[in-house]
Amino acid sequence: DVKVTQSSRYLVKRTGEKVFLECVQDMDHENMFWYRQDPGLGLRLIYFSYDVKMKEKGDIPEGYSVSREKKERFSLILESASTNQTSMYLCASSLWVRSDRDLNLQHFGDGTRLSIL
Amino acid sequence: SQKIEQNSEALNIQEGKTATLTCNYTNYSPAYLQWYRQDPGRGPVFLLLIRENEKEKRKERLKVTFDTTLKQSLFHITASQPADSATYLCALGPGSGGYQKVTFGTGTKLQVIP
Repeated sequence: DVKVTQSSRYLVKRTGEKVFLECVQDMDHENMFWYRQDPGLGLRLIYFSYDVKMKEKGDIPEGYSVSREKKERFSLILESASTNQTSMYLCASSLWVRSDRDLNLQHFGDGTRLSIL
Repeated sequence: SQKIEQNSEALNIQEGKTATLTCNYTNYSPAYLQWYRQDPGRGPVFLLLIRENEKEKRKERLKVTFDTTLKQSLFHITASQPADSATYLCALGPGSGGYQKVTFGTGTKLQVIP
């Protein structure tokens, strides 16, 4: 089974701090994703990476950056945390999809509930 | 732009009955549609998918239908049990912005009452 591990289940930080969320997957997946999940808004894609050192903005990248130095590890960085970044953050991975007919099954970690005070 | 709608209100159902959850979409023609289950404090877990050329898929007590004319998928859980209580998310693929992504709905919370 694919295992996606997020470094922290719960995290409390202060406004203005630089925050790092880490994610590791063990199935050699090319794609990795960071989402945030808020009540009524569902899962929104922050950033996506399809290879080492490659990244692509998702729907809500403002205030975030990412790093992928190794294939199995994808980090989300909050450059200067703000209270509106309090949320549940979910990391996911999937295999590279070769065409629009190939399936993209996302494997998720258990999330990091981040509170910014 | 692509839009997915799931009933935001919680669905309460008596144990043993069939639960039916709805996923509607607009401005899109997905190649496939997925259903995920999410328990409180956990990440979503893939359950079932259906391709655009399939009408129905089954897996144990789960059944998914896909009507591309109505732009709708129905997710059924037969003989529902309290352990089925969770939030269920649908996802369309490929997602907006390319086929390395999927687009998720907001989810419907199901509560099965003993």
